[in-house]
Amino acid sequence: ETGVTQTPRHLVMGMTNKKSLKCEQHLGHNAMYWYKQSAKKPLELMFVYNFKEQTENNSVPSRFSPECPNSSHLFLHLHTLQPEDSALYLCASSQEGSSYEQYFGPGTRLTVT
Amino acid sequence: AQSVAQPEDQVNVAEGNPLTVKCTYSVSGNPYLFWYVQYPNRGLQFLLKYITGDNLVKGSYGFEAEFNKSQTSFHLKKPSALVSDSALYFCAVRDGMIKAAGNKLTFGGGTRVLVKP
Repeated sequence: ETGVTQTPRHLVMGMTNKKSLKCEQHLGHNAMYWYKQSAKKPLELMFVYNFKEQTENNSVPSRFSPECPNSSHLFLHLHTLQPEDSALYLCASSQEGSSYEQYFGPGTRLTVT
Repeated sequence: AQSVAQPEDQVNVAEGNPLTVKCTYSVSGNPYLFWYVQYPNRGLQFLLKYITGDNLVKGSYGFEAEFNKSQTSFHLKKPSALVSDSALYFCAVRDGMIKAAGNKLTFGGGTRVLVKP
C-alpha cells in the first residue's frame, strides 16, 4: 500500500470540530478520487480530480470540502459533521488515458461523536 | 447510466474447490470492467480488468474473469480457492465513452467470500 497513502488512519471528532484527511499518491497518476464506504452501503464516489481540476462533485454536502494542490496530493476538509458521516474514507488514483484502474489507499476510519 | 449487480451477498466454498463470484453490468457504451478485493480494515486492491481484447483476463493471485458481452457479465473465478482468499470482492464498471460518464467508476455492493479449510 505504499502507492497511495492516507493519514490519519483513524480519526474521532466531535460535530463542531474541523479536521482534514490527507492523501498522497506516489504512482505519477493524473486523477485522484475520494470515496465514502459505509457499512451495508455500496462504495460512494464523492469527488474526482483530473489534472488537479475538480470534474465531479457527486452531490456531496458542503461540510465536506476537497482540495487538490497538485497532482500528487488530495485533501478532504471536514467541518460540522454529523454522526451519519462516520465511515471509511478511501482515496484512490488512476492514470486516465492509458491504464484506467484505480489504486486505493488504506482509508481513514472516521468516527463522528 | 451505468450500474453493476453482484447478486450474492456471500459465497461459501471449501478450500481447494473452484470459486466463482458473479457480476453483471449495464453501460451505454463499451464497458471497462474491474475486480477489486478488500481485506478487513484495508483499502481495495486491484485484481484484474477488461478493457478490450481477449474475453478471458488473468489477474493477481491466480484469479481470472471472463467478459461475456451477450450476457453482460464479468464473473470472477479461481480454480482452487485458498483460505486466504476469504475477503470482500467488488466488481466495478465504467463507460468507455469518456463523454458519457467521465472517469466515474460504479461499484457493485460487494460479495463476501468465505473459504473454509
